[in-house]
Amino acid sequence: GQQLNQSPQSMFIQEGEDVSMNCTSSSIFNTWLWYKQDPGEGPVLLIALYKAGELTSNGRLTAQFGTTRKDSFLNISASIPSDVGIYFCAGQLYNFNKFYFGSGTKLNVKP
Amino acid sequence: NAGVTQTPKFQVLKTGQSMTLQCAQDMNHEYMSWYRQDPGMGLRLIHYSVGAGITDQGEVPNGYNVSRSTTEDFPLRLLSAAPSQTSVYFCASSQRTGLTDTQYFGPGTRLTVL
Repeated sequence: GQQLNQSPQSMFIQEGEDVSMNCTSSSIFNTWLWYKQDPGEGPVLLIALYKAGELTSNGRLTAQFGTTRKDSFLNISASIPSDVGIYFCAGQLYNFNKFYFGSGTKLNVKP
Repeated sequence: NAGVTQTPKFQVLKTGQSMTLQCAQDMNHEYMSWYRQDPGMGLRLIHYSVGAGITDQGEVPNGYNVSRSTTEDFPLRLLSAAPSQTSVYFCASSQRTGLTDTQYFGPGTRLTVL
């Protein structure tokens, strides 16, 4: 199957710091999605990206669809304790409804 | 809207037992999928459906069956459970927007096979 490389695997940061994480693939995707998963819950959609070069924000979160269509980035500004969780990227190939997921970035925020 | 619902939330099975994980959505989405999540491996696609009566295999389909008799429901069946199927199972549904899809997840079923 497709491989999405998500990095970093985990991060330990201080409250108020900015965070960056990214996903790369060997294939071209036509959609990139970013999710957050809290312990014991299902992933919750944060941002959806549909066009190469697209930059989309959701509050303190900003994500970009890479111009090569093989990567995507998520930034969180001024982190707060409730940002703690696992962040997943997901990419969709041209054919329908097959999403491939990265292995996740575990974010820890120290108050 | 309840969104995507899954039952049960937790399940323990013995090796060789069968069971069905239920998934329902009330958003009139065409597309539904089943994933399993194992530690450090992200989510892997088991089976998916593009509409009632149509299903297809994902990355890891062995040991699982699905059917889609209605738009709302997409059950996942384990015919003979094995310890390797211990995992967290997520159902998702997608609404096609133009040429793209945005996918929403249920709360998950935590399955342990002894």
